Amino acid sequence: KAGVTQTPRYLIKTRGQQVTLSCSPISGHRSVSWYQQTPGQGLQFLFEYFSETQRNKGNFPGRFSGRQFSNSRSEMNVSTLELGDSALYLCASSWTSGTDIQETQYFGPGTRLLVL
Amino acid sequence: AQTVTQSQPEMSVQEAETVTLSCTYDTSENNYYLFWYKQPPSRQMILVIRQEAYKQQNATENRFSVNFQKAAKSFSLKISDSQLGDTAMYFCAFMNPAGTGANSKLTFGKGITLSVRP
Repeated sequence: KAGVTQTPRYLIKTRGQQVTLSCSPISGHRSVSWYQQTPGQGLQFLFEYFSETQRNKGNFPGRFSGRQFSNSRSEMNVSTLELGDSALYLCASSWTSGTDIQETQYFGPGTRLLVL
Repeated sequence: AQTVTQSQPEMSVQEAETVTLSCTYDTSENNYYLFWYKQPPSRQMILVIRQEAYKQQNATENRFSVNFQKAAKSFSLKISDSQLGDTAMYFCAFMNPAGTGANSKLTFGKGITLSVRP
């Protein structure tokens, strides 16, 4: 099976712009989670989507949003970029039956975003 | 809220030797999952091993094994016969899959940088 893929791998934006990152999960996986990784804050949970619905959300401002499509692919959007949004954005997918029991998350290679 | 603590920022080990990475966590839940992920310089996050809290037996995956002490809330990773390819950052992570505040999110520790010396 192909792994989780993320595009683009690298992005350079300027303050005030917006950006959209894409994630394609492992075939058959219906849950997609997003994480932000920075040297200062480490790995932080952004949100999780399952069956096109946001199921969980971390403590990030409303500038961070996402969505999931019927084929389980997910996108996350950051509007009005700030310098502090520079980070590695990781997407992870997992198989879940939709009940409370969650399965192991498998990560993509990440998108490295630099905001100038 | 759950917290995960990795108090050692860096460790170094000679190739072929054994090294243990420490992790402690705090939770009031009884059923949860614990993970070790590896992040090499490529930044790809790779699952190393997983432990379900309800299982008494410690998980093993080839050269990797854990020492899970539920009462002490400790979850250490032992790497045997260390190889140069084990050089990476290692993250301990917690997931509460059910019960009060059931959540799919992974809560990560700060990570530990492991260097394997030739």
